[in-house]
Amino acid sequence: GAVVSQHPSWVICKSGTSVKIECRSLDFQATTMFWYRQFPKQSLMLMATSNEGSKATYEQGVEKDKFLINHASLTLSTLTVTSAHPEDSSFYICSARDVQVTNEQYFGPGTRLTVT
Amino acid sequence: LAKTTQPISMDSYEGQEVNITCSHNNIATNDYITWYQQFPSQGPRFIIQGYKTKVTNEVASLFIPADRKSSTLSLPRVSLSDTAVYYCLVASREDTGRRALTFGSGTRLQVQP
Repeated sequence: GAVVSQHPSWVICKSGTSVKIECRSLDFQATTMFWYRQFPKQSLMLMATSNEGSKATYEQGVEKDKFLINHASLTLSTLTVTSAHPEDSSFYICSARDVQVTNEQYFGPGTRLTVT
Repeated sequence: LAKTTQPISMDSYEGQEVNITCSHNNIATNDYITWYQQFPSQGPRFIIQGYKTKVTNEVASLFIPADRKSSTLSLPRVSLSDTAVYYCLVASREDTGRRALTFGSGTRLQVQP
């Protein structure tokens, strides 16, 4: 079955530093990848949609200069949280859409970010 | 703003059937409804997907009325390992006409022995 991985699974960083999270589709090609953020006991909130080779589309209220998304290949998208602050601490989850099965998203295991 | 709502929590016992309903009154015309299961600190896991009427797979059934403004996930004979949060995911049409992917608020299912 379709597998999506994320790296790292958890990360602790100091306030003001930047953190990069990778999302990979392991056994399929993904023209579209999605990035979500989930705070404790809350639902997943879509942050942005990225299409391979083009700029990401950000949801309202998500700062594109703070959350940099790069989708350089059909199997890799990265999210960089720049100048992280404690309020950015959250669970970040990516998903990928298989080019041949366009109705389904496959989710990664998530990355727990803690900013101290 | 389109809202996708679910009951906050449900309790059940092992062996019972559980039905969880999601309301999505602004669902986009041509999009599917998908349900996911999530355990703590893990990504969502696909359960079932449908467009209309009824869909059944080896783990669940999904009932969608003709107006598609809601959907009901049915879990037959739940077990303790089904204790998790369940989310519906739909594409909704906002007032601006923009299509937005929206997760439901999530339903925390607690299965007791």
